[in-house]
Amino acid sequence: GNSVTQMEGPVTLSEEAFLTINCTYTATGYPSLFWYVQYPGEGLQLLLKATKADDKGSNKGFEATYRKETTSFHLEKGSVQVSDSAVYFCALSDRRGRDDKIIFGKGTRLHILP
Amino acid sequence: KAGVTQTPRYLIKTRGQQVTLSCSPISGHRSVSWYQQTPGQGLQFLFEYFSETQRNKGNFPGRFSGRQFSNSRSEMNVSTLELGDSALYLCASSLGMTGRGWNSPLHFGNGTRLTVT
Repeated sequence: GNSVTQMEGPVTLSEEAFLTINCTYTATGYPSLFWYVQYPGEGLQLLLKATKADDKGSNKGFEATYRKETTSFHLEKGSVQVSDSAVYFCALSDRRGRDDKIIFGKGTRLHILP
Repeated sequence: KAGVTQTPRYLIKTRGQQVTLSCSPISGHRSVSWYQQTPGQGLQFLFEYFSETQRNKGNFPGRFSGRQFSNSRSEMNVSTLELGDSALYLCASSLGMTGRGWNSPLHFGNGTRLTVT
């Protein structure tokens, strides 16, 4: 079946540091890939998405590139801020596979220190 | 445009009781999905409703049930509550069905925090 694996947290960085959160997936079909973010006390929000290989999703300084050859969709940001502290979820939606629902990773908690 | 609204925000129940949670999707969205979020298991899919029909179901016991009304609003019911049901329950709406054939992203509510004592 389809699955998403993302790096375990928590990840703690200083403000202005470079961020990478790793995400790899397995899928039987042609997935679309997503990053969602959950701020404290809130539900998840879509951060960015990519629908086909080599697409790059970007939003709020975050980027992720859909790499079919390595089945990865790593989240990056060049200079993090304290306000980026949140839990980040990698997810996939498989358009032709058996799992016709969105599959989420377990989430990575990010702490940014001022 | 108003976002996804979940009520109530917090609930405290005792074992054996039942509970009903409510979700109002974004206007025009026809799909409503429910997720259980716990620190140990992360986000687990409960079920998805589209046009008043359950389209997909996760691996939860029959104590967990739901329904969707003609205005797309959805309710989730948990009967015979257990301590392990304590969690944040998230509702999400989307324009079309998630997964196969559709790329509609999910729009989440802020959740209902259920505590079972």
